[in-house]
Amino acid sequence: GAVVSQHPSRVICKSGTSVKIECRSLDFQATTMFWYRQFPKKSLMLMATSNEGSKATYEQGVEKDKFLINHASLTLSTLTVTSAHPEDSSFYICSASKRTASYEQYFGPGTRLTVT
Amino acid sequence: GQNIDQPTEMTATEGAIVQINCTYQTSGFNGLFWYQQHAGEAPTFLSYNVLDGLEEKGRFSSFLSRSKGYSYLLLKELQMKDSASYLCAVRDQGGANNLFFGTGTRLTVIP
Repeated sequence: GAVVSQHPSRVICKSGTSVKIECRSLDFQATTMFWYRQFPKKSLMLMATSNEGSKATYEQGVEKDKFLINHASLTLSTLTVTSAHPEDSSFYICSASKRTASYEQYFGPGTRLTVT
Repeated sequence: GQNIDQPTEMTATEGAIVQINCTYQTSGFNGLFWYQQHAGEAPTFLSYNVLDGLEEKGRFSSFLSRSKGYSYLLLKELQMKDSASYLCAVRDQGGANNLFFGTGTRLTVIP
């Protein structure tokens, strides 16, 4: 199997606070993890790519100081939304690819963030 | 830059066949994926094409023409549960394995 989990599945926070979202590959080692953002009725937008033990590579237009990514191990990556604002409210999805068959990405169930 | 286009919405009848098209213009190409996504859920993998031609998998088939920058997903014997968004994604070249998604096509299957 190739199962990816995310925690929390849903979070509500106040403006100005920070929120951490975890992404775990449960039954495989993930060489690379990806973070996406999805607005309502829109497709996924790649935010950043992270490899274990190295700095994340951010896509153009994504603020790396606002969206902190840590990829501490081959099974865990975290996304921290710092000083959240209402416009950060979105559906955040992570995915992971295996060492073998690396062409395929396995997606987590997503985290719905609402900033009030 | 990456430009991946799909129709925004489609409607089809239960039991029928529907074709969802995807055209792409990307700086690199290392494969094209189709994903299915139900509202509020993560995308699930449907198919992968890296060479030209048709890949068939049960009720779902996917076609790729690299020279035309074109792909389609064909769904046969439509079922109500096939109502979902269908996302076309192109994999970047090189080791990054990045996926760039199209806008997605929202398919509604009606009785």
